[in-house]
Amino acid sequence: AQTVTQSQPEMSVQEAETVTLSCTYDTSESDYYLFWYKQPPSRQMILVIRQEAYKQQNATENRFSVNFQKAAKSFSLKISDSQLGDAAMYFCAYRSAGASGGSNYKLTFGKGTLLTVNP
Amino acid sequence: NAGVMQNPRHLVRRRGQEARLRCSPMKGHSHVYWYRQLPEEGLKFMVYLQKENIIDESGMPKERFSAEFPKEGPSILRIQQVVRGDSAAYFCASSRQRSTDTQYFGPGTRLTVL
Repeated sequence: AQTVTQSQPEMSVQEAETVTLSCTYDTSESDYYLFWYKQPPSRQMILVIRQEAYKQQNATENRFSVNFQKAAKSFSLKISDSQLGDAAMYFCAYRSAGASGGSNYKLTFGKGTLLTVNP
Repeated sequence: NAGVMQNPRHLVRRRGQEARLRCSPMKGHSHVYWYRQLPEEGLKFMVYLQKENIIDESGMPKERFSAEFPKEGPSILRIQQVVRGDSAAYFCASSRQRSTDTQYFGPGTRLTVL
């Protein structure tokens, strides 16, 4: 079974600075998707960024970018120019992309990293 | 362009009562997924449904929990005879035709069992 580990329960960053959130995962599959979701105090789950494992290029979305290291099974999220609105719980998630179907719809989540942004 | 809708947002039940959680997927989405988030935990998969079909309920407790997604109307997650351990946030997500599409989440229903 796949597992997702977020080793940083809490992180803090100064406004306008850069922060990196860590995520590692364990899988025997070669084709999969990785996601970062943001959960602000409203508790809504918001998709931040998505990475396909077959793509070598790291995904970016405005101030959010990832460092995807497939061999190391590492998928970190970098937030540049941090803003107060970035304060939230961040979840890393994995989903199989198995062509045979299987469980290629189940998201497996880590336990989350609580990010605080200091003004 | 409404997103995934869930109601109620907050639900309080006493032990032994029934809880009904509703989820309306995004327009054009025919795949619905339910996840449960216990305190201090990430979300855990419960069940995957398409219209009128349960595709995978491997994450659902064997007793007291059921889910449906009728031809008309929202998806319903039903918990009978609730116990304190059922207290959690329940999230619904939906995706378009293919199950491998990105899942978009609703705001969740926070269930508290007294």
